[in-house]
Amino acid sequence: EVQLVQSGAEVKKPGESLKISCKGSGYSFINYWIGWVRQMPGKGLEWMGIIYPGDSDTRYSPSFQGQVTISADKSISTAYLQWSSLKASDTAMYYCARRSGQVFEIWGQGTMVTVSS
Amino acid sequence: EIVLTQSPGTLSLSPGERATLSCRASQSVGSRYLAWYQQKPGQAPRLLIQDASSRATGIPDRFSGSGSGTDFTLTISRLEPEDFAVYYCQQYGSSPYTFGQGTKLEI
Repeated sequence: EVQLVQSGAEVKKPGESLKISCKGSGYSFINYWIGWVRQMPGKGLEWMGIIYPGDSDTRYSPSFQGQVTISADKSISTAYLQWSSLKASDTAMYYCARRSGQVFEIWGQGTMVTVSS
Repeated sequence: EIVLTQSPGTLSLSPGERATLSCRASQSVGSRYLAWYQQKPGQAPRLLIQDASSRATGIPDRFSGSGSGTDFTLTISRLEPEDFAVYYCQQYGSSPYTFGQGTKLEI
């Protein structure tokens, strides 16, 4: 079965760093782009960026460029989304998704990140 | 970046009725580079339609998509109780691949 399994919920303080993960299984991880999507509480979906694990080619939405870092470790079939200094406005559910063609066909279950002092 | 505007914001219908959801792009998304997703409370989104009108694997044929350029429509021919959810369109004609703000389909 093709699936993406994300790391668990996180509660952090402003200014702290964080790295969340997304592990793919059931398919060739290096051959599909993985994207990250933000959903703030009660709001819609926002496309953050994508990475091709085969060569780590990464594209960011201008809205998220410089705010987060997307990376991947193909040896363990895992993609990451990280922050160096969290803000309260980073509180959201974050989804990873596998791109097939140009669409997000397979989604992870989501990781809730709460940033609060 | 391309802005997608979905209408209406909320659509109130009953099971058995027909639903028509609209997605309008601020500029052409390149013919048919548009997808639709369904999201139920507490769940990840699910792909319904890609390339404006192609149903994803396992999606019932009561879901259909149409349109091109800047105007797209998702139609649910006869609503089932499980169809009440939020629906998002997404364009992939131009990076960043933006989403619309969503249409909530409620009973």
